Formats: sequence, C-alpha cells, structure tokens
Amino acid sequence: AQSVAQPEDQVNVAEGNPLTVKCTYSVSGNPYLFWYVQYPNRGLQFLLKYITGDNLVKGSYGFEAEFNKSQTSFHLKKPSALVSDSALYFCAVSSLSSGSARQLTFGSGTQLTVLP
Amino acid sequence: EPEVTQTPSHQVTQMGQEVILRCVPISNHLYFYWYRQILGQKVEFLVSFYNNEISEKSEIFDDQFSVERPDGSNFTLKIRSTKLEDSAMYFCASRENPGTGYGYTFGSGTRLTVV
Repeated sequence: AQSVAQPEDQVNVAEGNPLTVKCTYSVSGNPYLFWYVQYPNRGLQFLLKYITGDNLVKGSYGFEAEFNKSQTSFHLKKPSALVSDSALYFCAVSSLSSGSARQLTFGSGTQLTVLP
Repeated sequence: EPEVTQTPSHQVTQMGQEVILRCVPISNHLYFYWYRQILGQKVEFLVSFYNNEISEKSEIFDDQFSVERPDGSNFTLKIRSTKLEDSAMYFCASRENPGTGYGYTFGSGTRLTVV
C-alpha cells in the first residue's frame, strides 16, 4: 500500500521569507509525486509533479519541489513567500503498484499561512 | 486550458434521499475518478472508471455508491440513500493516459450536505 505523510498541520512564515512544506511518501516501486493547493471553498489546483528526470521540479507560482529518493521525501519550497500563497497544500503519490488506475493517495494537508 | 466541470457546486439533501453528482471530464481523457474530502480531513479515493467500467474502488465505495458514464461525456456519482456521514466535498478528476502517472485534472468539487 502507498502512503503520504505531511508531518506539519500548520506552517507559518513571514512574507518574503522562504517557505518549506514537508512531505514523505511510501510506495512500492517508483513514485509519481504531486503537489496540489486548495484555497477556501475551492477545488484542488495542480502545482507541480515529479515523474522522472531532474530531482528538482519547478511548478506554478514560483513553487518548486525536490525529490529525494534516499529520504523518500518531496518537500515543497518557495524562495520568497507571498500572503496570497496562504492556502491548504496537499502532497499526493501514485505509482505503478497503485493498480491500473494509478489513483492518487493524498497526505493530510498542511495549512500554510504567510504573515504580512 | 481544458477543465473538468462539476455540477452542482453545492447540494443539500435530506438523509435517505438519492443524489446524483455530475461531472464533465476533459474530452480526450480516458480515466475518470471520484474522490471525497470530509471537512477538515484528507482527500480520499473513491473509485476509478475506465473503458466504461469500474477499474478500482476503495472500501468507502460500498453498495450505496454507483458510477456511470451514460452518454459518453458526463460521468456521474450516485449515492442511493444518503447518510449524514456522506456530507463532504466530492471531487471528480480525469486523466489522459492510462500508461503514465500524470495528467490528472480535478474539478472544483461539489459540496454535499446531508441534513
């Protein structure tokens, strides 16, 4: 079975400072890793993904994530946080072992608050 | 950019009533999914649908749930007899290629409230 852990329910950071939202995963085989963002009363918005290739993945709105196979991590980062980045962030994993449908398994989410 | 469209955005229903949640996936996508998110909790997989049949389902997806793609464009989730604990945000998603792990697009969700 595959699983995702987001160890922090809440992350607070000052505007302009770098931010990190942590994610670790467990799968059989090679992982496909995703970050989604959810604003209040809104759907899931795709940020970035890692399938293969470079370990550093760049995505929407200046976000990036680094795949670390040895630590089974896929932390989300941004060099300079904006107040508008405040939202709920979900890490998700899929793999060839998910079944033919490759359904996603989500973490519990991390509420990011960027303070002005 | 192509979108997954879900209707309605919010539905209130009485316990025991049947509800149908509707989704229009992206037209060239081949895999379709329903996920749900109970308020304050994680997003959970319910069911996947490929080639006009269910390909995977979770433990949550019991006999009260069903899915179908009646006309080649809409993808529906039916809950036969709603319970209070079915109150959640339901997300539809579609994916373009069954051979890869990417290309998921989620709809904006239907918030179901069972009273």
